[in-house]
Amino acid sequence: EAQVTQNPRYLITVTGKKLTVTCSQNMNHEYMSWYRQDPGLGLRQIYYSMNVEVTDKGDVPEGYKVSRKEKRNFPLILESPSPNQTSLYFCASRVIEGAEQFFGPGTRLTVL
Amino acid sequence: ELKVEQNPLFLSMQEGKNYTIYCNYSTTSDRLYWYRQDPGKSLESLFVLLSNGAVKQEGRLMASLDTKARLSTLHITAAVHDLSATYFCAVDRYNFNKFYFGSGTKLNVKP
Repeated sequence: EAQVTQNPRYLITVTGKKLTVTCSQNMNHEYMSWYRQDPGLGLRQIYYSMNVEVTDKGDVPEGYKVSRKEKRNFPLILESPSPNQTSLYFCASRVIEGAEQFFGPGTRLTVL
Repeated sequence: ELKVEQNPLFLSMQEGKNYTIYCNYSTTSDRLYWYRQDPGKSLESLFVLLSNGAVKQEGRLMASLDTKARLSTLHITAAVHDLSATYFCAVDRYNFNKFYFGSGTKLNVKP
């Protein structure tokens, strides 16, 4: 089944404790992206990647890091999480420009 | 910075009625996308509109794009309860691959 998977689905952590949210897609998509969703703000793009080793900032990259060492994986790293990063995070992928994005199930992160 | 505005933000309607959700964006964009999100779920792609004048229809939903007016509409015909969800529009800019989403329109269709 073609899909985007994220792990973990739920995470409660404390300020300053480094964490990684994994994202993997099995559709051989070149483009992958991370978003955060907050009430009343819609989705805001954090980082995106056009291909392996090619990443770029979205609208709200501060406090986040990403890497794209393999085509299928695009992990999101929070080196020192803070409470304002409490949010619902979505990973997405698409095959080419102008194509629809496929979204993962989401990761609900709470930073205490 | 590209801004995307949707209205209304909340919409409560009776089954069988028609209504339109509007999506305005602030700068030139080539492509517009509509997504649906059910409560507690992920986003599902509804439509991809790639050029001025594009119109797409799926069931009771029809989306259109006017790039000159920087406006897209999502028209709901004879609404049914199953259409209750939050609808998002999003734009990306050619060669930029950065996405900008609207705040979403929460639709509640009452039986």
